[in-house]
Amino acid sequence: RKEVEQDPGPFNVPEGATVAFNCTYSNSASQSFFWYRQDCRKEPKLLMSVYSSGNEDGRFTAQLNRASQYISLLIRDSKLSDSATYLCVVVNNDYKLSFGAGTTVTVRA
Amino acid sequence: DGGITQSPKYLFRKEGQNVTLSCEQNLNHDAMYWYRQDPGQGLRLIYYSQIVNDFQKGDIAEGYSVSREKKESFPLTVTSAQKNPTAFYLCASSIERSATQYFGPGTRLTVL
Repeated sequence: RKEVEQDPGPFNVPEGATVAFNCTYSNSASQSFFWYRQDCRKEPKLLMSVYSSGNEDGRFTAQLNRASQYISLLIRDSKLSDSATYLCVVVNNDYKLSFGAGTTVTVRA
Repeated sequence: DGGITQSPKYLFRKEGQNVTLSCEQNLNHDAMYWYRQDPGQGLRLIYYSQIVNDFQKGDIAEGYSVSREKKESFPLTVTSAQKNPTAFYLCASSIERSATQYFGPGTRLTVL
């Protein structure tokens, strides 16, 4: 079983829609969680950290469910510029990062 | 401007040749990392370094070598021993190993 798994998508949504997707992880001792955004043929960029209590950053909401070992990302009021691949990153207790393969979101006009 | 730079952006290599990828940062970060990204897969750690003159193997170090002679620089050499070197190579740095990592723009290596 992979350490971090994501639905590759693509999730094709119209502008203004809400889209949400999950990322599951296998190591119950994982300490920290992040969402990175990666545009085509570019480097990943930090989108947001994921806190135990859940957190929002504008139109983006991240949640952590430790019992079921998954994190989620919800994007409200989707913009064309939200089209990207979203990488889930899980940090283990030895500070090793494990990356998901990414979920591709395409927002259409 | 502070940041991480990688060069070249695109690199072509003939089979059997060694090639070195550059990574420089002026963020004063102690930790630096090299990852490889292949289509449909998550990033995989090749090597990392927490301080100057020290580095550790990651999950897929075979066929690669690194050096960390200066805090700012962490070059990666892809040797002829690496069986499938064609990939997107990403360098990252963080203040310390436990901190958030920031990535350079990447080098796309193609073996002809």
